[in-house]
Amino acid sequence: AQSVTQLDSHVSVSEGTPVLLRCNYSSSYSPSLFWYVQHPNKGLQLLLKYTSAATLVKGINGFEAEFKKSETSFHLTKPSAHMSDAAEYFCVVSDSFSNTGKLIFGQGTTLQVKP
Amino acid sequence: NAGVMQNPRHLVRRRGQEARLRCSPMKGHSHVYWYRQLPEEGLKFMVYLQKENIIDESGMPKERFSAEFPKEGPSILRIQQVVRGDSAAYFCASSPREGAEAYEQYFGPGTRLTVT
Repeated sequence: AQSVTQLDSHVSVSEGTPVLLRCNYSSSYSPSLFWYVQHPNKGLQLLLKYTSAATLVKGINGFEAEFKKSETSFHLTKPSAHMSDAAEYFCVVSDSFSNTGKLIFGQGTTLQVKP
Repeated sequence: NAGVMQNPRHLVRRRGQEARLRCSPMKGHSHVYWYRQLPEEGLKFMVYLQKENIIDESGMPKERFSAEFPKEGPSILRIQQVVRGDSAAYFCASSPREGAEAYEQYFGPGTRLTVT
C-alpha cells in the first residue's frame, strides 16, 4: 500500500528564514508525488509535482522539493519565508497501484510565519 | 479557462435531511474525484468518476452516500439522512488524465457542510 507521512504537524519560522517541511513516502512503484498548499477556508493549490523526471523539482512561489529514493523522502523547502506562506501544506502520492490516479494525502503540516 | 466550480460553498443541514453537493470540472476534463476533509485531518479519497461511470468508489461510506457524473451537467455527491459526523469540507477535483497534465488534479474551493 502507498502512503505518505509528514513528520511535523506544525512548523514555525521567522519571516526571511528558510522553510523545511518533511515528508516520507512508502510505495512499491515509482511514485508520483505532489505538494499542495491550502490557505484557511480555501481550496488546494498545487505547488509542485514529481513524476520520475528531474529529482529536484521547482514549484511556484519559490518552493522546491527533492526526490530522494534512497531515503524515501520528498521534503519541501524554500530559502526565505514570507508572511503569505502561512498555510497548511500537504504531501501527496498518486495511487499508481490502482491506476485510478486517486491521491493519498499526508496529515498536513501547518506552517506559521512570525514577523 | 474557469477552474473547478463547486456549489454551494457552505451548506447547513439538520440531522436527517439530504445534502447535494455539485461540482463542475474544468473545461475539457472528464474525470472527477471527490475527497472529504474532516476537521483537523487531511483529505481522504471518496470516489472517482468519469462521464456516466463510477470507476472507483472504494472510499465511499457504504450507506447514505452516492455520486454521479451524468453526460450533461455537474457531478453530484449526495448524502442522505445526514448525521453530525458528516460535517466536513468536501472537495472536488478534476483531471484530464492524459497529456502532460495526466497526473495533476485541480481542486475546487470546496463545500463546507455543517450538520446541526
